[in-house]
Amino acid sequence: AQKVTQAQTEISVVEKEDVTLDCVYETRDTTYYLFWYKQPPSGELVFLIRRNSFDEQNEISGRYSWNFQKSTSSFNFTITASQVVDSAVYFCALSEEPGGSEKLVFGKGTKLTVNP
Amino acid sequence: EPEVTQTPSHQVTQMGQEVILRCVPISNHLYFYWYRQILGQKVEFLVSFYNNEISEKSEIFDDQFSVERPDGSNFTLKIRSTKLEDSAMYFCASSGIGTSYEQYFGPGTRLTVT
Repeated sequence: AQKVTQAQTEISVVEKEDVTLDCVYETRDTTYYLFWYKQPPSGELVFLIRRNSFDEQNEISGRYSWNFQKSTSSFNFTITASQVVDSAVYFCALSEEPGGSEKLVFGKGTKLTVNP
Repeated sequence: EPEVTQTPSHQVTQMGQEVILRCVPISNHLYFYWYRQILGQKVEFLVSFYNNEISEKSEIFDDQFSVERPDGSNFTLKIRSTKLEDSAMYFCASSGIGTSYEQYFGPGTRLTVT
């Protein structure tokens, strides 16, 4: 069965610190997709990244970077030089059904608070 | 930029009443989803819908729930007889084929059952 574990419930950092949010997943499939979503205090879900299981290259987008390691079934998310606006709940998610209807299985989320 | 819209943003209803949550997915998308998030908890899949029928549903999606695409633009979630435990944020999402399979989420409808 598919499962996503975000062991860090809450993280608090001071602005400009780097922070890494952990995500560990379980799946029986060899083909799957991993996602990160951001949920700011306003409540909407903002898509950040999608990565398929065949692409293990790390990705960087501005201050955000993602480290995908199949060997450890992890898809960690790092924010460099954090800012107050990064304060949100971050969800990691997994989908085992690419190519059509994709049910997303979410982790419980990590609440990040960036203090000025 | 196209976006998923949901109405109402907040719905308050009494236990036992029927509610309909409405969503307008992105126009060229073909897959539609409902998720719910009980306050402070994770987002949970309810149902996916494709080609005018349910593709998959979770254990949460029991006989009290139904979905419909009544016309070419709307996608609705109906709860026939609401319970207190149905209080949650309900998110609609849509995704396309041949693109990046990203699910775009609407802003959510907060349902409060009293």
